[in-house]
Amino acid sequence: AQTVTQSQPEMSVQEAETVTLSCTYDTSESNYYLFWYKQPPSRQMILVIRQEAYKQQNATENRFSVNFQKAAKSFSLKISDSQLGDTAMYFCAFMKHAGAQKLVFGQGTRLTINP
Amino acid sequence: GAGVSQSPRYKVAKRGQDVALRCDPISGHVSLFWYQQALGQGPEFLTYFQNEAQLDKSGLPSDRFFAERPEGSVSTLKIQRTQQEDSAVYLCASSLAQGQETQYFGPGTRLLVL
Repeated sequence: AQTVTQSQPEMSVQEAETVTLSCTYDTSESNYYLFWYKQPPSRQMILVIRQEAYKQQNATENRFSVNFQKAAKSFSLKISDSQLGDTAMYFCAFMKHAGAQKLVFGQGTRLTINP
Repeated sequence: GAGVSQSPRYKVAKRGQDVALRCDPISGHVSLFWYQQALGQGPEFLTYFQNEAQLDKSGLPSDRFFAERPEGSVSTLKIQRTQQEDSAVYLCASSLAQGQETQYFGPGTRLLVL
């Protein structure tokens, strides 16, 4: 079975700073997807960024980028130039490439951006 | 088009009551998922449909939980004889097809069992 661990329950930074959220996972699969989802206080889960394990290049989406270390089974999210609207719960998630398409989530990191 | 919608948004039930939670996926999306999110936790998988076929129900916590998607679009999650431990947010997600890895989530139904 796959597990996802987020070791930072809460983080807080000032607006415009850069922040990195950590995620590690455990799997015996060789091909899979990794995701970061954002859940603002309204609770609608929104996809932030995704990474395919067979791609060595780290994914980027505007101010969001990941550091994917496959051998270390690490998948951190970096948010540059943080904005007040980035305040949310952030969940790291794993999905096998084939077969069951269910997401396995970490426990989440509550990120607060302070003005 | 419209995103995933869920109803009701909030539900209060007395212990022992039956509840039904509805999910309307994005039009044309083949895959539909239900997750349970306890307070302060990450979502946990309950069950998965591809069209009307329930392909995985390994996450359903007990036989009091039942899900259906009879016409391959709208899905209903039913909980019989609710217990206090069923209190959680129930999230529905859909994706275009199997192999299309991005899941789009609805706003959730917050269930409180008293």
